This record gives sequence, structure tokens and C-alpha cells, in this order.
Amino acid sequence: KAGVTQTPRYLIKTRGQQVTLSCSPISGHRSVSWYQQTPGQGLQFLFEYFSETQRNKGNFPGRFSGRQFSNSRSEMNVSTLELGDSALYLCASSGGTGYGYTFGSGTRLTVV
Amino acid sequence: AQRVTQPEKLLSVFKGAPVELKCNYSYSGSPELFWYVQYSRQRLQLLLRHISRESIKGFTADLNKGETSFHLKKPFAQEEDSAMYYCALSGLGNAGNMLTFGGGTRLMVKP
Repeated sequence: KAGVTQTPRYLIKTRGQQVTLSCSPISGHRSVSWYQQTPGQGLQFLFEYFSETQRNKGNFPGRFSGRQFSNSRSEMNVSTLELGDSALYLCASSGGTGYGYTFGSGTRLTVV
Repeated sequence: AQRVTQPEKLLSVFKGAPVELKCNYSYSGSPELFWYVQYSRQRLQLLLRHISRESIKGFTADLNKGETSFHLKKPFAQEEDSAMYYCALSGLGNAGNMLTFGGGTRLMVKP
């Protein structure tokens, strides 16, 4: 079956703008989570959604938000972009506890 | 709070040598531990999860609750094992799925 699909693959935005990233999970997976990967901070958890409800949230400012739709697809939004938001944003989906998480290829966001 | 520590940023070995990538964790409940691997220009892939007690590509990892460790081992390293390895933890039975990653260890297998 198809893997986790993230769009777009690359984005360049200007400081102060906002951006929306999209993630389509593996068919049948209801849990979708987002991670930020940077050389300095490594992989950090942003938030996790299950059945359109946010179940967990990481330690990120309110400029970072997300949502999940009834078909389990998810979007994350970053408002008022800062240079430090430049990172690879990864989406992962899971079929449940113990099954592990399958990651997408990520969206590389560059803020200039 | 949950924390995962991978003490080595870089591990360099020769082909055929044994490999051990260290992972220590801190978690107050019952942990679920994973190893993920990221080959050059590829996505993060699940390598092992402690629940399944499986061996993938010759790698094994045993959860040691007494030492709070989940070290990844392979008896004979191959050049194709060169990659970035991440140890990760999730709270077993928690209402949500949230992975805490270690900082990663880059494994270089020299010919």
C-alpha cells in the first residue's frame, strides 16, 4: 500500500509569512503526528492527531498548529514565520500502539 | 518526562567488525522502544521495535529495564549499514502516540 505522502517537498518562504504543509497517512492509519528535524535540535515532536482530535502537543509556540480531517489527512500551519523555523518537517502515521510509526519524506521549509 | 540519550554522535567501524549503538532512556512508566534508520537521501525507516523482538538486517536490540537501555547490536557490520540511527521511545498504553528521539548516531562502516 502507498506510504505516507507529504506535500510539498520543498518550500521557501519569507519571514512573517505563514505556511501550510500537508500529510496523507497510510490508508487505515488514524494516528498522524508531526515532527521538526533540525541539525541543532534533532527530531522534536510537534503534535499528534487521532480521529480529528489533538491528543498530544509538543513544546512549540502557538504559531504552530495543525488539524486532521475525517479522512485522516492532516495539515500543519506555521504563522508569522521566523528564520529559526527553517527545518525538515516530518509526518508519521501509525496503525496503533505497538505497530510503530511510518514516516513520510518530509517537507523542507526554508525561511529567508 | 521522557528522555532518550545516544552517547555517541559518530561510530566508525571496519566491515566485518561487531557494532553496538548505545541507547539509554528515562521514563517513569512502561516504555515502548524503537530503532529508526535513515540512509543517505532516504526517509526515516523503522528498523526494530522491542515488542516484536525481531531481527532485521542482522540487527537485534534487547530492552534492559534494569539498566534502562536498548542498545542496537550487529555481529558483523556491512558497508550498506552506514546510516544515521535513532533510538526512540513512546509511552506504552498511553492515550496518544508521541515519539521522543535520541540525538542519533552516525554509523560509518569502512571497507
